[in-house]
Amino acid sequence: DTAVSQTPKYLVTQMGNDKSIKCEQNLGHDTMYWYKQDSKKFLKIMFSYNNKELIINETVPNRFSPKSPDKAHLNLHINSLELGDSAVYFCASSQEYTGREQYFGPGTRLTVT
Amino acid sequence: EDQVTQSPEALRLQEGESSSLNCSYTVSGLRGLFWYRQDPGKGPEFLFTLYSAGEEKEKERLKATLTKKESFLHITAPKPEDSATYLCAVQAGDSNYQLIWGAGTKLIIKP
Repeated sequence: DTAVSQTPKYLVTQMGNDKSIKCEQNLGHDTMYWYKQDSKKFLKIMFSYNNKELIINETVPNRFSPKSPDKAHLNLHINSLELGDSAVYFCASSQEYTGREQYFGPGTRLTVT
Repeated sequence: EDQVTQSPEALRLQEGESSSLNCSYTVSGLRGLFWYRQDPGKGPEFLFTLYSAGEEKEKERLKATLTKKESFLHITAPKPEDSATYLCAVQAGDSNYQLIWGAGTKLIIKP
């Protein structure tokens, strides 16, 4: 009965590859997010979707593309991976777009070699 | 620029030794301040939301307070299971509801 789940947990890949991370929430929330947590532990918002519509699109390379097939899913596709993309990526959800009380997934540790 | 600074970076306490973590912020109109707990290898877990100066929230051994420039997370008689990284985040009044996060304080409680 995991609330927010992500797959895979770990992802090791080479520079130039394309990869996807999947996220699903079973909380019935309207809003979902992708965050990047760097080595200094700062969390930075990348994208936010509310009812499948993009509402936050921070300055990230256009190699990153989110896709929300329905309210319960928000996937992240990354093209042409670079060394600097190595980080932990977290998916989160909240009841509404105001972003209060967010529920986070376990994270995906991406390592680009 | 909106900014959140947490101190100290790390804090080691003996079990039962009370202390406080600090979160100072500069934002253009505070919409809300949030505290989360993050255990190693896991995602952050929501603890509290504070909206206005003077507000306080409590949960078990934790109490969060808010002033116009900073928030404190007071930990009373901590136990080893309170060991975690505590993250603070703010929402600015002129933002699109996104959270600005601090780097966290790593709390270690020794038995």
